[in-house]
Amino acid sequence: DIVMTQSPDSLAVSLGERATINCKSSQSVLYSANNKNYLAWFQQKQGQPPRLLVYWASTRESGVPDRFSGSGSGTDFTLTISSLQAEDVAAYYCQQYYSTSWTFGQGTKVEIK
Amino acid sequence: EVQLLESGGGLVQPGGSLRLSCITSGFTFKNSAMSWVRQAPGKGLEWVSSISGSSGNIFNADSAKGRFTISRDNLKNTLYLQMNSLRAEDTAIYYCVNGGGNDFAAHWGQGTLVTVSS
Repeated sequence: DIVMTQSPDSLAVSLGERATINCKSSQSVLYSANNKNYLAWFQQKQGQPPRLLVYWASTRESGVPDRFSGSGSGTDFTLTISSLQAEDVAAYYCQQYYSTSWTFGQGTKVEIK
Repeated sequence: EVQLLESGGGLVQPGGSLRLSCITSGFTFKNSAMSWVRQAPGKGLEWVSSISGSSGNIFNADSAKGRFTISRDNLKNTLYLQMNSLRAEDTAIYYCVNGGGNDFAAHWGQGTLVTVSS
């Protein structure tokens, strides 16, 4: 199975500041035939199901604020919240769908400093 | 609007069985791969099983092999998960997910809680 490792496990950021979450896969999730990275990011607020934020590593889902952005390729990826808002307090997960056996990162908890 | 509504969770003894259902609407179910993903209390997300639109391809996590069976009824727009030989470590919220295989998880249901305990 492809192992997904996120860092850090948690971070505290001041309102309006940038938050950066990293995700590393144990093997490349870039499919050369279509040049797409099979990597998604999810946000999960307390007591709620996960919500898709980004797919194909950098495509923002409809309705997701543009302060959220995904980047990276191959094995190294980043989710950036450019200006943290109070409503962004949540756990964030990366996930690969390159393999039909999906795997998720362990999650990163984002809090307000 | 896409809607996924799970049901069938509850308290079951170790070794028991449960059948989860997920009624869907708002998209073309028969053309969509579907999956189950679970989350143990206070823990992260764990993929359980996926099924293609035609039911021709089924993928299972090692934790589900031999015990859980995913299926679907495209006439009823409903996804199922038959869970047998349940263990304490299967205790989790089980989410129905629109997506599977090499399709990303576009939509998630609210989840149904399964508790395995004597």
